[in-house]
Amino acid sequence: SQQGEEDPQALSIQEGENATMNCSYKTSINNLQWYRQNSGRGLVHLILIRSNEREKHSGRLRVTLDTSKKSSSLLITASRAADTASYFCASQETSGSRLTFGEGTQLTVNP
Amino acid sequence: GAVVSQHPSRVICKSGTSVKIECRSLDFQATTMFWYRQFPKKSLMLMATSNEGSKATYEQGVEKDKFLINHASLTLSTLTVTSAHPEDSSFYICSAGSGLAGNYNEQFFGPGTRLTVL
Repeated sequence: SQQGEEDPQALSIQEGENATMNCSYKTSINNLQWYRQNSGRGLVHLILIRSNEREKHSGRLRVTLDTSKKSSSLLITASRAADTASYFCASQETSGSRLTFGEGTQLTVNP
Repeated sequence: GAVVSQHPSRVICKSGTSVKIECRSLDFQATTMFWYRQFPKKSLMLMATSNEGSKATYEQGVEKDKFLINHASLTLSTLTVTSAHPEDSSFYICSAGSGLAGNYNEQFFGPGTRLTVL
């Protein structure tokens, strides 16, 4: 399988600033999901956006999806040091099927 | 929420030995579990899809005789790395789809197993 791409690969910001990460995928999808991974740990599901949705919010998270460009973005507002982690997008072609992960963005939020 | 555990969390073994990693869904039944491999600072690569009661489906390039997967029950899947070599050293993560409330999209991930082969 081919991995999607994410940019930037690494992002370093100050606490309170917003962080934006972008993701591209290669096939048509049922949904796209964002996950967070702390160093050496498993993944935590953050948010899911369906192919017929364009924008979704959850707390300080805002996700957009552009199926014509096969891309998505994750915005974390008012970042905190505890947001420091790797963030991965994952596309799902059909409901319940395998996830194809992007390369990930390493976010560092400096206090 | 749905919880997935993995055991062991960390294992160090000598080259040539076999290592078994367990993945359990603790509070739900998972008909499908997925096994991923992650190298340092890299993304997750799907190795195989494990279906309860049937043979696993392996991704292209993954040796099924090298990475044995068993999914004997709805709450347990195992990955055995046979005759492990240093290049098999990696972080292995499993996930399970819960199907809770009809939601078959979200996968719940185990905490991962760090394998180091000397």
